[in-house]
This record gives sequence, C-alpha cells and structure tokens, in this order.
Amino acid sequence: AQSVTQPDIHITVSEGASLELRCNYSYGATPYLFWYVQSPGQGLQLLLKYFSGDTLVQGIKGFEAEFKRSQSSFNLRKPSVHWSDAAEYFCAVGARGGYQKVTFGIGTKLQVIP
Amino acid sequence: DAGVTQSPTHLIKTRGQQVTLRCSPKSGHDTVSWYQQALGQGPQFIFQYYEEEERQRGNFPDRFSGHQFPNYSSELNVNALLLGDSALYLCASSLYGGDTDTQYFGPGTRLTVL
Repeated sequence: AQSVTQPDIHITVSEGASLELRCNYSYGATPYLFWYVQSPGQGLQLLLKYFSGDTLVQGIKGFEAEFKRSQSSFNLRKPSVHWSDAAEYFCAVGARGGYQKVTFGIGTKLQVIP
Repeated sequence: DAGVTQSPTHLIKTRGQQVTLRCSPKSGHDTVSWYQQALGQGPQFIFQYYEEEERQRGNFPDRFSGHQFPNYSSELNVNALLLGDSALYLCASSLYGGDTDTQYFGPGTRLTVL
C-alpha cells in the first residue's frame, strides 16, 4: 500500500529565509508525486508534480522539489519565503496506471514571521 | 476555463440525517474523486468515478455512496450521519489517461454534524 510521511507538523520561518519541507513516501515502484498547498478554509492547489524525467521539478510560486529514489523522498524547497506562503502543505503519492488513488500526508503547517 | 466547483459551500446536519454533496468537474475532465479531510488531517480518499461507475474505493463504510452523471458531474451521499462525519469534503477531477492523471481540487464543502 502506498503511504506518505511528512515528519514536520509545524514549521516557522522568517520572511526571506529559505524553506525545505520534508516528504517521504512508500510505494512499490516509481510513483507519481505531488505537492499541494491549502490556505485556511480553502481547497487544494497543485504546486508541482513529478512523473518521470528530470528529478528536480519546478512549480508555481517559486517552489521546487527534488525526487530522490534512493531516499524515497520528495522534499519541497523555496529559496526565499514570502508572508503569503503561510499555509498548509501536503505531499501526496499516486499510483501509476489505471484509476488513480492519491494518498496524502498529514500536512505541514507553515508559519512565516516578519 | 471553469475549474472544479462544489455545492453547497457549508452544510449543517444532525446525527442520523442524510446529506448530498455535489461536484462539477473541470472542463474537459471525465473522472471525479472524492476526499474527506477531517480537521488537522490530510485528505482521505473516499472513492473515484469514471464512466458513471465507481472504480476505486477507500476505507469508508457503505454509508458513503456516490453517483456520476453523463455530463461527468458527481454526487456524494452520506446516510445515517455521525458526529465523526464532520469534515471538509473535497472533490477532485482529472482526465483519465491524460496529463498523467493530475487531479484538480474544488474548494470543498464544509459539513458539520451536530
């Protein structure tokens, strides 16, 4: 069964500082990997996705993520955080082929301080 | 290009009642998935509909049922509501076999069971 672990429930960073959110997945083969962002009371917005090819994936809002097969990780990064980045971030894994069930992690809540 | 829409936005029910939530997929999409997001948790997969049939189901009881219409819109029905059914219900749409099955989410329906 596929699963996702986000070890950091809550992270606080200063505005302008760099950010890395951790994600580890469990899946029998090469998965589809996603990062979504959720603002309070809102739905999920796709930040970026990895399916194949280049292991460094660029997304919206200046985010990037790197797929590391050897570590079963897909960490999200941003070089300089803005106050508007404060939100909850979800890593997710999807199965390849057929009808896709996406499994989400518990989420990491990001707080940005001035 | 209309995104995924859901109705209603908020809903309050009492224990034992039944509820129907509605979802219209993003234009061009033919697959609808439903997720339950309890407070402080990541979304949990309920089921997925394609070609008007339930194709995959998560670990949810039979009280949760759904339907997909010929225009690809979908309904989620929950019978005999329990307090624990209080959650944000998210609908996601995708194109089967297209764009590597990326799911796009609606804003959700907030269900409160009293």
